[in-house]
Amino acid sequence: EVQLVQSGAEVKKPGESLKISCKGSGYSFTIYWIAWVRQMPGKGLEWMGIIYPGVSDTRYSPSFQGQVTISADKSITTAYLEWSSLKASDTAMYYCARPKTVGAFDAFDIWGQGTLVTVSS
Amino acid sequence: EIVLTQSPGTLSLSPGERATLSCWASQTVSSSYLAWYQQKPGLAPRLLIYGASNRATGIPDRFSGSGSGTDFSLTISRLEPEDFAVYYCQQYGNSPWTFGQGTKVEIK
Repeated sequence: EVQLVQSGAEVKKPGESLKISCKGSGYSFTIYWIAWVRQMPGKGLEWMGIIYPGVSDTRYSPSFQGQVTISADKSITTAYLEWSSLKASDTAMYYCARPKTVGAFDAFDIWGQGTLVTVSS
Repeated sequence: EIVLTQSPGTLSLSPGERATLSCWASQTVSSSYLAWYQQKPGLAPRLLIYGASNRATGIPDRFSGSGSGTDFSLTISRLEPEDFAVYYCQQYGNSPWTFGQGTKVEIK
């Protein structure tokens, strides 16, 4: 079964760092892009960026460039989303998602279950 | 950046009725790279339609997508109880990929 399994919920304080993960299984991890999508409480979906794990080619939405770092470790088929200094406004559900076509930008047919990040003092 | 605007914000309908959701793009969406997703509370989004009009695997044929250029729509021919949810359009033809703000389909 093709799936993306994300790390568990996190509660952090402003200024702390955080790295959440998304493990792919059941498919060839290195040849599909993986994206990260934010959903703030009660709000819509926002595309943050995307990575091609085979060569770690990474693209960011201008809204998130410099605010987060997307990376991947192909040896353990895992993608990451990282913050160096969290803000309260980073409180959200974060999803990883995989496009439906090998090596291409396409609609997302596989989604992780989401990781809830809560940032509060 | 392509801005997607969905209409209406909320659609109140009864089971068995037809639902038509609209998605307008601020610029032409390349090659009709337009998708529709369904999201239920507490769950990840689910792909319904890709390439503007192609149903994803396992999606019932009561869901259909149409449109091109800047105007797209999702139609649910006869609402089933499980169809009451929030629907998002997304363009993936131009970076940054963007989503519409969503349309909530609620039970009247």
